[in-house]
Amino acid sequence: DAGVTQSPTHLIKTRGQQVTLRCSPKSGHDTVSWYQQALGQGPQFIFQYYEEEERQRGNFPDRFSGHQFPNYSSELNVNALLLGDSALYLCASSGIRVGEQFFGPGTRLTVL
Amino acid sequence: AQTVTQSQPEMSVQEAETVTLSCTYDTSENNYYLFWYKQPPSRQMILVIRQEAYKQQNATENRFSVNFQKAAKSFSLKISDSQLGDTAMYFCAFINSGGYQKVTFGTGTKLQVIP
Repeated sequence: DAGVTQSPTHLIKTRGQQVTLRCSPKSGHDTVSWYQQALGQGPQFIFQYYEEEERQRGNFPDRFSGHQFPNYSSELNVNALLLGDSALYLCASSGIRVGEQFFGPGTRLTVL
Repeated sequence: AQTVTQSQPEMSVQEAETVTLSCTYDTSENNYYLFWYKQPPSRQMILVIRQEAYKQQNATENRFSVNFQKAAKSFSLKISDSQLGDTAMYFCAFINSGGYQKVTFGTGTKLQVIP
C-alpha cells in the first residue's frame, strides 16, 4: 500500500498564474481533503471531496477549486496566484472509520 | 466553530527524559475525536495518538500517552523516554464526529530533543 501520494513535490509559479496539484488517496479511502499550511502555522482546511463532489469548504476564496475523479484521486486548482498562496499543500484521505485521516507528503508551492 | 489552542510554541527536552505538550480546545459538541500529529522536517504529517471523547480512558501508544480532561477541554501529550527522532512539530487536532472529518489544527509546538 503506497499510502497517500501527492505530485509534484515542489512547484514555483509567478503571480497571476494558475496551478494544479494532484493527490491519490490511500487504498480503500473514498474521501479526500485538502489543507494549506503556511510556514510556521498549522494546516488550514480548504475543502473536502466525496463521491466526486465538494461537500465541505473552509474559508478560502473561489480561486481555490477542486475535482475528484471516479478512482477517488483529486486535484486542487488555484487561479490568479498571489504571493500569499505560497505554502505547503497537504492532501489527506479517509474512509469509513471516523477520525482516521492519512496525510500525504505535501506539495510545496512558491509564488514569486 | 471549533478552536484548538497550543500555548507552547517551542519546547526542548533531554534525551530519555519526559516532556508534556499542552493543548486546549473549544467546542459545543459532545462527541468528537482528538489527535496529536507529528510533523518532522520531512513534512509528512504522522498520526501519533487518537482519543475518542466518549471514552474516559486515556489513550496510550507505546511511549506516547495523553491526559484527556473533557470538562476542562484539555488534551495534553506526554512523551516518555524521549528520543532524537521525536524532534518535530507537534499539532493537536480535532474532528467533530458528526461532521465530515474536517480536521481543525492548533498552531503547533516545536519540540527539540537534546542529546
